Amino acid sequence: RLQLQESGPRLVKPSETLSLTCSVSGGALTNGTYYWGWIRQPPGKGLEWIGNIDYSGATYYSPSLKSRVTLSRDISNNHFSLKLTSVTAADTAVYFCARGVGSCAGECYIDYFQSWGHGTLLTVSS
Amino acid sequence: SSALTQAPSVSVSPGQTATITCSGEKLGDKFVSWYQQKPGQSPLLIIYQDFKRPSGVPERFSGTTSGNTATLTISGTQVVDEGDYYCQTWDRTAACVFGTGTNLAVL
Repeated sequence: RLQLQESGPRLVKPSETLSLTCSVSGGALTNGTYYWGWIRQPPGKGLEWIGNIDYSGATYYSPSLKSRVTLSRDISNNHFSLKLTSVTAADTAVYFCARGVGSCAGECYIDYFQSWGHGTLLTVSS
Repeated sequence: SSALTQAPSVSVSPGQTATITCSGEKLGDKFVSWYQQKPGQSPLLIIYQDFKRPSGVPERFSGTTSGNTATLTISGTQVVDEGDYYCQTWDRTAACVFGTGTNLAVL
């Protein structure tokens, strides 16, 4: 059974870089045609997609966050990571990692997110 | 526009049918998914590719998409169905987009 677990600091200072890791068990990052990604949810608000990294290592980023986001993966340890630079209070949110399902027909797209981690609350504050 | 608009809240009596809509440009040309989220929990996929149900999701959940609107219907709504519901699609310009969310109250 697939399990995803977010980890990382719970508090980051403004202007610093946020780093989170999602550890995956029950499924390899390179298996199948999956898109491993991050979604966040500010307290009391809706879901916002951050980006995904697929089975081949290709990355897909939200246009609104693209300039500050980097996704990477560690195949040997079966985890993937998020870095978000120059954080502000607006980046305070619960960060979820998730496995997406998609396909490529000319261009690739993520269809839906079938498995989610429990989420981790990250606060940006001095 | 790539935005997906949902009504902030919907109320329904137990046993009745709840209808939650999601509006966006040319949604009928895209796949739409729906997620249920309860307080303090991560979202749960309940509908994908417009109308398909993942294993374990009750049959009372159904989805349709046409024109600019996707609709999630919950037949015979139960108190356990209370929570927030989000639609989601992939937009060629904005990539992955979630709806604004609808809080379902079963009163």
